[in-house]
Amino acid sequence: AQKVTQAQTEISVVEKEDVTLDCVYETRDTTYYLFWYKQPPSGELVFLIRRNSFDEQNEISGRYSWNFQKSTSSFNFTITASQVVDSAVYFCALSGFMDSNYQLIWGAGTKLIIKP
Amino acid sequence: ETGVTQSPTHLIKTRGQQVTLRCSSQSGHNTVSWYQQALGQGPQFIFQYYREEENGRGNFPPRFSGLQFPNYSSELNVNALELDDSALYLCASSPYRQGLIRFGQGTRLTVV
Repeated sequence: AQKVTQAQTEISVVEKEDVTLDCVYETRDTTYYLFWYKQPPSGELVFLIRRNSFDEQNEISGRYSWNFQKSTSSFNFTITASQVVDSAVYFCALSGFMDSNYQLIWGAGTKLIIKP
Repeated sequence: ETGVTQSPTHLIKTRGQQVTLRCSSQSGHNTVSWYQQALGQGPQFIFQYYREEENGRGNFPPRFSGLQFPNYSSELNVNALELDDSALYLCASSPYRQGLIRFGQGTRLTVV
């Protein structure tokens, strides 16, 4: 089965705290991509990162970092020193074939609330 | 480079009517996908177009149809609108089927 699970429905932290958003996936594909998108209240899905299944290197981009562990099928996202502007819904997604279609398979999203 | 743009941004329609949503793909992208996102949920795949042909379809009825034009822009048409069609409709483009996927700002459709 192709599936993405974001077990955290909502997380609330105080500004400047670090926060990790969890993403666990299931796939039978040997080659796939994993994505994280941010969706602020305006609705647009903002691309954050794409990771190839063969590239298990962790990545850091400013305050954002991603930990990809193929052994546990996880692709977790950490925000360091969170800011109010980080408040949004964050989606993890997997590219793959499902129902005979190549598509993005989405997690349910994690709503992140950063309090001042 | 220009990103993915969608029009209109907001739309209110009456049940039973028809609607057309438009999407201009990012420059250099030949693949366009459409997603429906109901409030509080993740996006659901509607269909994908690659080089002007439908290249995959999700679990949506035939009253959801689409087109892709030679310049790779795309339309999503929904006939016989139902109240449950109220959602954010997102267009995504990529340079090839498994390429980097960029989304537009979405069209928020309300059916009353």
